[in-house]
Amino acid sequence: LAKTTQPISMDSYEGQEVNITCSHNNIATNDYITWYQQFPSQGPRFIIQGYKTKVTNEVASLFIPADRKSSTLSLPRVSLSDTAVYYCLVGPPGAGFQKLVFGTGTRLLVSP
Amino acid sequence: NAGVTQTPKFQVLKTGQSMTLQCAQDMNHNSMYWYRQDPGMGLRLIYYSASEGTTDKGEVPNGYNVSRLNKREFSLRLESAAPSQTSVYFCASSAWGRDTEAFFGQGTRLTVV
Repeated sequence: LAKTTQPISMDSYEGQEVNITCSHNNIATNDYITWYQQFPSQGPRFIIQGYKTKVTNEVASLFIPADRKSSTLSLPRVSLSDTAVYYCLVGPPGAGFQKLVFGTGTRLLVSP
Repeated sequence: NAGVTQTPKFQVLKTGQSMTLQCAQDMNHNSMYWYRQDPGMGLRLIYYSASEGTTDKGEVPNGYNVSRLNKREFSLRLESAAPSQTSVYFCASSAWGRDTEAFFGQGTRLTVV
C-alpha cells in the first residue's frame, strides 16, 4: 500500500483558507485518496475522497494533480470548530477498510 | 439514526481484570473493526470482521479477542488487562463496495492501573 506523508501540524486563523498536502509517491493505479477528520475525543469521520483532478463537497475540496503523487485538502474559511486532526489515506476500493493505514495525521489548530 | 454505538464510554480496570467492550451498528454494514489509539498516534487495527461469522487479526491483536455476535454487534474482550492496554478504543463499520468510507463510534477510554 502507498505510504503517505503529511505535515505533523499546521496553525491558522479563523476565516483563512487552509491547504493540507499529502505526499503519496508510490500510489497505485487503482488507489483512491481518502481524507478523514478527527475532533478531540471523537472517532474519525470521512470527509472526502477522490481519484484525480478535483472533488468538492460541502466540507472541503480535494485537489489531485495529474501524476497523483500528492493531494491537497482545502478547507475554505476555517472556523474554530475546524480544529482537528486530518488523516490522508490511500488504497483501493474493494480491498477492505482494514487495508487503509492511519498515520499520525496533521493536527490543525485554528485560532481566533 | 445512531450509527455506531460503543459502550462503555469510560472504564478503569485493575491489572489482570477482564472486560468486554461492546459495539453495535444500525447501518446494516457487513464489515466491522476495532482500533486502538494511543496519545499522539494514529489508529492501529486490532481485529476486523469482514462479514458475520468471520474475524481476522489486525496489526496489534495480542491480548485481545473478538466476537462477531451477529451482523450488528462486534465485541472486543480483554481477558487479563495490562497497563499497556491503556488507550482509547474505537469501533468502526463499513459497507461492501464502499469500504474506503467507514463510520466510527465515539470511542471507549480505557485506563488499566
